[in-house]
Amino acid sequence: DSGVTQTPKHLITATGQRVTLRCSPRSGDLSVYWYQQSLDQGLQFLIQYYNGEERAKGNILERFSAQQFPDLHSELNLSSLELGDSALYFCASSVGLSGSYEQYFGPGTRLTVT
Amino acid sequence: AQSVTQLDSHVSVSEGTPVLLRCNYSSSYSPSLFWYVQHPNKGLQLLLKYTSAATLVKGINGFEAEFKKSETSFHLTKPSAHMSDAAEYFCVVTIFGNEKLTFGTGTRLTIIP
Repeated sequence: DSGVTQTPKHLITATGQRVTLRCSPRSGDLSVYWYQQSLDQGLQFLIQYYNGEERAKGNILERFSAQQFPDLHSELNLSSLELGDSALYFCASSVGLSGSYEQYFGPGTRLTVT
Repeated sequence: AQSVTQLDSHVSVSEGTPVLLRCNYSSSYSPSLFWYVQHPNKGLQLLLKYTSAATLVKGINGFEAEFKKSETSFHLTKPSAHMSDAAEYFCVVTIFGNEKLTFGTGTRLTIIP
């Protein structure tokens, strides 16, 4: 158990809908990262927050947004969903700002768009 | 810029034989390198990391990796494979001070009983 929790575990929704994925980092970790894992794209970095502020962006679509709250939990919002958004979404946390710190991954949320 | 190439998408070895998973990297500056493992339906777990200290890095579960700057490689090895090693392995690169990790495409390790 990494100490990172993600909810829900599974999510099935229809095209055009909006969903919110939630992540609680390990106690003491200030950085939260979001990743998307799909068969065709592999594992891709989406976005990072550090102590409530956005710090780095990867291949995140404009339809997607995220935020980190004062209690350090984070939410990833996916809107106008398309079939291609079906994937496993991981959250990871680390103690520091740099990517050189070890990241602890949550179990993931499997999103299925029908 | 940074990138990483995992040279084998699938490796099969017999239980008790050595494991070698190959990774080459490209980085504009001194890299930090990681190996992560993902068991089926699980999140990723860090096996080991290199951050410019000793070039031979020992990780969990008997795995180790050697950083070779001249060859731009960071191959993962284990002397004797165990059935529980069957999983997907990811080589990852970043630059110290850079928040972004770049993942390889993964190597699926199969252990033959």
